[in-house]
Amino acid sequence: NAGVTQTPKFQVLKTGQSMTLQCAQDMNHNSMYWYRQDPGMGLRLIYYSASEGTTDKGEVPNGYNVSRLNKREFSLRLESAAPSQTSVYFCASRRQGEKLFFGSGTQLSVL
Amino acid sequence: AQSVTQPDIHITVSEGASLELRCNYSYGATPYLFWYVQSPGQGLQLLLKYFSGDTLVQGIKGFEAEFKRSQSSFNLRKPSVHWSDAAEYFCAVAPFSGGYNKLIFGAGTRLAVHP
Repeated sequence: NAGVTQTPKFQVLKTGQSMTLQCAQDMNHNSMYWYRQDPGMGLRLIYYSASEGTTDKGEVPNGYNVSRLNKREFSLRLESAAPSQTSVYFCASRRQGEKLFFGSGTQLSVL
Repeated sequence: AQSVTQPDIHITVSEGASLELRCNYSYGATPYLFWYVQSPGQGLQLLLKYFSGDTLVQGIKGFEAEFKRSQSSFNLRKPSVHWSDAAEYFCAVAPFSGGYNKLIFGAGTRLAVHP
């Protein structure tokens, strides 16, 4: 069972570069989420998609865009990366009324 | 503003010893309460959750947590720790109305287990 798959696992960017983090789930979940994890701060919600075709801002959306491509895939885009976006990014998904399932994370460094 | 506080950044216990990880929250009403565990290089895994009813909830891997409304606390406990319990533990809360879409995580407690 693949669960929630994130690509890439590691990425190094230069300031100003753009990139897209990919997330796919094979559990037919309606809701998908992007979090960032920083030392001493726990996880903070960037964006979420409650269902296919909808997206909403979370706690820290600035500097990011998302696309819910279909029910399976939810991508996170950094248009112009900044050092403050150095973090570990987690994608998660869930079926309504059930628990979150997390991917294994993407470690992003912006130099 | 809603917040979650985990007062202990690092805790070290000996294998076989008991464990209690603290979690305090600030919310106007009783929220949904969760404990997650994160092993190195992995995503988070749900240990247990409290929505309503019995204030002592049982989770996976032998963990339990007790909700105390008067203290705004939801502490995680385990009677006998195993070396494989070494990980980072996160308390999280969500408002009754927002649910999982409004989850707020604490900063985490890193647990080390001595043989």
